[in-house]
Amino acid sequence: GQSLEQPSEVTAVEGAIVQINCTYQTSGFYGLSWYQQHDGGAPTFLSYNALDGLEETGRFSSFLSRSDSYGYLLLQELQMKDSASYFCAVDNFNKFYFGSGTKLNVKP
Amino acid sequence: ETGVTQSPTHLIKTRGQQVTLRCSSQSGHNTVSWYQQALGQGPQFIFQYYREEENGRGNFPPRFSGLQFPNYSSELNVNALELDDSALYLCASSRDRGSGANVLTFGAGSRLTVL
Repeated sequence: GQSLEQPSEVTAVEGAIVQINCTYQTSGFYGLSWYQQHDGGAPTFLSYNALDGLEETGRFSSFLSRSDSYGYLLLQELQMKDSASYFCAVDNFNKFYFGSGTKLNVKP
Repeated sequence: ETGVTQSPTHLIKTRGQQVTLRCSSQSGHNTVSWYQQALGQGPQFIFQYYREEENGRGNFPPRFSGLQFPNYSSELNVNALELDDSALYLCASSRDRGSGANVLTFGAGSRLTVL
């Protein structure tokens, strides 16, 4: 089976940096994904890490350590529009299993 | 390119009834996955369809079933509805290989309420 752990809620101010951690246990592993979901919206893809290390895409970066079964999403220069839920998801041979999500509140 | 479309957007059923939810995958995508998302929770994997066959299933009972059609669209059927089936049902399409194989494109979902 799969289990993923991530903090339930994080609060930060505009312009700050926030890190959302994810630890996982899985029977099969291709990679770790991150998705963003605004209230009432569909999840949208942010990043995918197949190999150890840091992947950077604009203000967002994602890190993976396969040996530690750990990853994180780093959001820089926070904006109000970043207020949303963020989900890590393990890629178990092209089937994706999601964590329960981290609600990010960005305050002015 | 068109995205993933789901229908209906909202529906209300009573316990014991059956429901069919529909999904059209994004152009160029041949794999469809269905998820159940309860309020405040993450999407839970129900099953995946590839080449019209079920290609993996999560921890859901057999009363959750599906179909995939030659045009890669898909249906999710739930029989004998229970109150706990009330949730947002999300369809996600993807490619089976190559660029984008590890990216799920989600539809806006079908919100099911069971009374």
